[in-house]
Amino acid sequence: DGGITQSPKYLFRKEGQNVTLSCEQNLNHDAMYWYRQDPGQGLRLIYYSQIVNDFQKGDIAEGYSVSREKKESFPLTVTSAQKNPTAFYLCASSILSGAPDTQYFGPGTRLTVL
Amino acid sequence: AQRVTQPEKLLSVFKGAPVELKCNYSYSGSPELFWYVQYSRQRLQLLLRHISRESIKGFTADLNKGETSFHLKKPFAQEEDSAMYYCALSRPMDTGRRALTFGSGTRLQVQP
Repeated sequence: DGGITQSPKYLFRKEGQNVTLSCEQNLNHDAMYWYRQDPGQGLRLIYYSQIVNDFQKGDIAEGYSVSREKKESFPLTVTSAQKNPTAFYLCASSILSGAPDTQYFGPGTRLTVL
Repeated sequence: AQRVTQPEKLLSVFKGAPVELKCNYSYSGSPELFWYVQYSRQRLQLLLRHISRESIKGFTADLNKGETSFHLKKPFAQEEDSAMYYCALSRPMDTGRRALTFGSGTRLQVQP
């Protein structure tokens, strides 16, 4: 383990509030990803970033925002526009050359909206 | 559209029995497929990828383009194989870059 850290492990939010999930990696990976994991649905891609200052929407980006100001960091903000934010959120990273699709995952953050 | 289907939510076998975790995909191009595994209280991690044609922890997976399948197999299950297994497909995004599409996962329970 190690290499990718996510914080906090558990997060509680009141309806109408924005909340930011942290993801940091020290693997010198160029690409970073955010997924949402719901029971019975596997992982769904929210946003991804291949280089600093560049990011792209995934399959379920509505209600989320990201930034990539540093190579090591890819924070995810869950906004009040996200209709059903309670879920388990996973961050991942990968190198772009060699085996770009070998993704390394963080431990996850469980977000609960009260 | 690209899609990965894992038809079994739960697969329960006895120790020493053969295991086959099913994965079917839908993709018009040349597929790149992976199996990821998540053991209890551990992170999701890569188990194997089809281009490597490798055997990891006794598991193998063969890409069958005719049947659009990438089933994960092990001849003799061990209790430590109990975990959640995800099949994943690498696919191009609109940006030209690639991302993974995951199946819904299969929980493997190996009973003593």
